Order: sequence, then structure tokens, then C-alpha cells
Amino acid sequence: SQQGEEDPQALSIQEGENATMNCSYKTSINNLQWYRQNSGRGLVHLILIRSNEREKHSGRLRVTLDTSKKSSSLLITASRAADTASYFCEAGGTSYGKLTFGQGTILTVHP
Amino acid sequence: DTAVSQTPKYLVTQMGNDKSIKCEQNLGHDTMYWYKQDSKKFLKIMFSYNNKELIINETVPNRFSPKSPDKAHLNLHINSLELGDSAVYFCASSQVPDTGELFFGEGSRLTVL
Repeated sequence: SQQGEEDPQALSIQEGENATMNCSYKTSINNLQWYRQNSGRGLVHLILIRSNEREKHSGRLRVTLDTSKKSSSLLITASRAADTASYFCEAGGTSYGKLTFGQGTILTVHP
Repeated sequence: DTAVSQTPKYLVTQMGNDKSIKCEQNLGHDTMYWYKQDSKKFLKIMFSYNNKELIINETVPNRFSPKSPDKAHLNLHINSLELGDSAVYFCASSQVPDTGELFFGEGSRLTVL
């Protein structure tokens, strides 16, 4: 299984602060993706980082990947109340057609 | 236009009944999936179809039967519903299996009484 496991399970911060979430996985991957899930909604893709990349930016998002430690982090800078959601990582491996997720990190941003 | 749509959004039924959830994607993707999200938010893959062919069938009771009439549709039929089947079921699609970006539907919340 290429399960991504997110840490911490829950994170509570004030608006304007940065939020950092971590993801660990078990075996070799081709890429790693982060998704966001608002309450009662489906998951929405945020960003993909390939196994030969170390860092990637998209707006207020910064993703790092350390394949030697089999871990990734998602940093959301200058958080907003609208960033309140669950965040999931998915470690894309080489097993055909298999995409697995963890439990997610629940981020709460207080206005 | 909704990219991945699934119906119904809510489903409340009695134990022992048979129910279906439908999913359609208008993205032209080759691969479609069904996921189950439990009360603790774990998201687990159940099935994956590529070009109407089953490629992933996780350890799911055979009361669950996916059906893909064409590339754009993947329906989930559940027989003899049990209390433990209560969850949110998500349909998703991707252009590329395994490493592609997933597009999710809004989920179907199934409650078995």
C-alpha cells in the first residue's frame, strides 16, 4: 500500500499564522499529491510534487518532499478562515490503479 | 458543469435492503474509482475501473458490486445492507491511473438503520 499518513491529526491556529502539515509514506513513489476536503464536500486537488522534485510552490502553498525520509510537508502561509478544512496526502506509487489516503489533518483557522 | 456527479447525495435505508449509487464524469477520463470514507475520516479505495474494466478490487464484501456501462459511468450497487455500511461514498475519476490527479464527486452519505 502507498498509504499517506498525515500528522498532526488536528491543528488549530489564528488567521494570519502559518500552518504546517506532514505526510509520511511507506514505499517508493512516482509523485505525491495534497488534497483539501471542506466539510461535507469531496476532495479537491491542491498540488502535485514529483519524486525528483524537492520543493514546489502554488500561491500560499509550499510543498516539500524528502524521498530519503519518505515524508512530505504542506505549508500554508498567511492562513485564512476559509482554509479551514481537512487536508490529505496521497502517495502515488507504481502499483497500477491504486491511490490511497490517510486520515487527514483537520485544520481550523480562527478569525 | 459538474465534472463528477453522483446521486443520491443522501440515502437512508433499512438493514437488508439493496441500494445503488450512480456516478457520472464528463471529463473524458479513462479511470474511475469508488472510495469509502468512514466516521473517522479514513478514505479507503474500494474499486477502480479503467476503460470499463475492473483493475482494483480491494477487500470489499461481495455484497458490493460496481458496474461500468461505459467509460463515463461507474455505479455502485450494494446488496443486503448492514449497519457497518453507513459511510460517505465518493466517486472519483482520473485521466491516468495511479499517479493522476483525482477529481472527486461531492459524496453520497449512506445511513443504514
